[in-house]
Amino acid sequence: AQSVTQLDSHVSVSEGTPVLLRCNYSSSYSPSLFWYVQHPNKGLQLLLKYTSAATLVKGINGFEAEFKKSETSFHLTKPSAHMSDAAEYFCARNTGKLIFGQGTTLQVKP
Amino acid sequence: ETGVTQSPTHLIKTRGQQVTLRCSSQSGHNTVSWYQQALGQGPQFIFQYYREEENGRGNFPPRFSGLQFPNYSSELNVNALELDDSALYLCASGPEGLAGTDEQFFGPGTRLTVL
Repeated sequence: AQSVTQLDSHVSVSEGTPVLLRCNYSSSYSPSLFWYVQHPNKGLQLLLKYTSAATLVKGINGFEAEFKKSETSFHLTKPSAHMSDAAEYFCARNTGKLIFGQGTTLQVKP
Repeated sequence: ETGVTQSPTHLIKTRGQQVTLRCSSQSGHNTVSWYQQALGQGPQFIFQYYREEENGRGNFPPRFSGLQFPNYSSELNVNALELDDSALYLCASGPEGLAGTDEQFFGPGTRLTVL
C-alpha cells in the first residue's frame, strides 16, 4: 500500500535551534509529497510540496524539505525554531486524495 | 477570494442519531474531499466529489454518504452514529480535475462528539 510514515510522534526543540521532522514514504515511483501544519483548533495549511521538480523545496515560514529517492525520505527542516512553530505537522502523499502520516507534534521551548 | 468554510464548528450527538455536516468550497473550486481526523491521528480520506459525482472513496462504511451541489458546496451525512465517529471532520476543496500535484485547501473543520 502507498503510505507515509512519520518517524517521530513528538519533537521538542528550544527556540532558535534547528528543527527536523522526519517522513518516509513507500512507493515504487516518485510520489507527490506535501507537508501540512495544523495549529490548535485550526484546519490544515500547506507548508510546501514536492512534485518531481527540484528535490530541495522551499516553503512558507522558513521551512524547507529535501526529497531523497534513495532513502525514500522527505524530511522537513527549519534552521531556527520560533515559538509560533509549535503545532502538529503532517506529511502526506497526494494522489488526488491525500494519504497522511500520523503526525508529529512540535514543541518549542523558550 | 473566500476560503473553505464549514458548519457547524462543533456538534454533540448521541449514538444512533444522524448528522449532516456542511462545507462551502473555495471560490473557483469544483472538487471537494472529506477527511476524518480522530484525536491524535492523521486525517483519513472519506470520499471526494467532482462535479456532483462521487470520485473516489476511502475505507468507510456506507452509512457515510455525501452530496455535492451545483454551486459546489457539499454535505457529509453520517447515519447510525457510533462512539468511534467522534472526530474532527475536515473538508478540502481543489481545482478542476484535481491532480496529485494540486494543493487542496482545508476548512477549519467540524468537531463531532458522539455520546
